[in-house]
Amino acid sequence: DGGITQSPKYLFRKEGQNVTLSCEQNLNHDAMYWYRQDPGQGLRLIYYSQIVNDFQKGDIAEGYSVSREKKESFPLTVTSAQKNPTAFYLCASSIAGSGQPQHFGDGTRLSIL
Amino acid sequence: DQQVKQNSPSLSVQEGRISILNCDYTNSMFDYFLWYKKYPAEGPTFLISISSIKDKNEDGRFTVFLNKSAKHLSLHIVPSQPGDSAVYFCAVPPGNTDKLIFGTGTRLQVFP
Repeated sequence: DGGITQSPKYLFRKEGQNVTLSCEQNLNHDAMYWYRQDPGQGLRLIYYSQIVNDFQKGDIAEGYSVSREKKESFPLTVTSAQKNPTAFYLCASSIAGSGQPQHFGDGTRLSIL
Repeated sequence: DQQVKQNSPSLSVQEGRISILNCDYTNSMFDYFLWYKKYPAEGPTFLISISSIKDKNEDGRFTVFLNKSAKHLSLHIVPSQPGDSAVYFCAVPPGNTDKLIFGTGTRLQVFP
């Protein structure tokens, strides 16, 4: 089955720790994205990548970092510089091109201990 | 600066009736408009889209209407079913890029 896999589903972080969220897709999509969802809010774009070894900041990139070493993988690191990391994180991928539907994983819920 | 707004945070509809979800946008240059459906603790799933050159697109029980003069988008679900209960997001690609900007969502509840 083609799709996007995010792991883990739940993640706990201590203050001052960096954590990495995994996102893997087998849809052969060029573009990948990371979003954050907070209660009562829409999805806000953190980072996106249109091609391997290249990525751009979204609207709320501060305190996050990404890499795109392989087409299938787009891990997100939540650094200690992110002051309010508790949220639901969603990874997506799409074919390149405006208006192409993005396909989402089932998300990772990050909480601070 | 919200480029896409969903002003109704929630909507409650009886099973079998029509559900109408609304979305307003500010930029007349958007090429496409998309609707997503999201269940709790899951990722959104793509529902239906419409090109800016059309004013209506239909897929089964789902129809999206685009009113460019009013910069308004609506999703009609008819007949509504309990399984349609979810949060619905409209989304647009800014600057005709691969990115999407999402509205804040409308929670639809379909009751028997």
